[in-house]
Amino acid sequence: NAGVMQNPRHLVRRRGQEARLRCSPMKGHSHVYWYRQLPEEGLKFMVYLQKENIIDESGMPKERFSAEFPKEGPSILRIQQVVRGDSAAYFCASSRTGPRTEAFFGQGTRLTVV
Amino acid sequence: AQSVTQLDSHVSVSEGTPVLLRCNYSSSYSPSLFWYVQHPNKGLQLLLKYTSAATLVKGINGFEAEFKKSETSFHLTKPSAHMSDAAEYFCVVRLVNDMRFGAGTRLTVKP
Repeated sequence: NAGVMQNPRHLVRRRGQEARLRCSPMKGHSHVYWYRQLPEEGLKFMVYLQKENIIDESGMPKERFSAEFPKEGPSILRIQQVVRGDSAAYFCASSRTGPRTEAFFGQGTRLTVV
Repeated sequence: AQSVTQLDSHVSVSEGTPVLLRCNYSSSYSPSLFWYVQHPNKGLQLLLKYTSAATLVKGINGFEAEFKKSETSFHLTKPSAHMSDAAEYFCVVRLVNDMRFGAGTRLTVKP
């Protein structure tokens, strides 16, 4: 059973381009969480999704950021028209249903905007 | 609403001395609590979890944490620090549809 897979591990984009970050949850996990970690800062919650539904997006910037978790395929975090301030590590976690279950994290995608 | 407060952003100990990383939480309901560790340039790894069973929870690498409802705390401890323990530690509170992280505590271990 593979762990949470994120790709790419490193992504370089020029200002104004789009960044697409992928997260494949562990087998049997229907909950996905995205977090952003800025340099020298802690993890900040962005969005929580279940299959085909956004449950909580209170941590997502209002513009340029979107997330989806389709019925088939990985969860995608999309950043349009990237700016330098978007440079960060983006982590995805997945879990089973239930309040007592732990989340498992991917290795993260490090986005650099040049 | 639920939240997590890690009381120290940075803790420095000498190798072989005890480690204490403090975490307080607020929650309207009985929470599940977790500690994760992040080594430099790595992903997060679960250290231990509390899910309403025993209040003293043992985790990997000699770490343990005690859930104290009266103090709303879930402090992480280890009797003797090792150089390999140097990392960032995150306390997490979880309800059904929510999972919130503390700001993190960076542990430095001096030789």
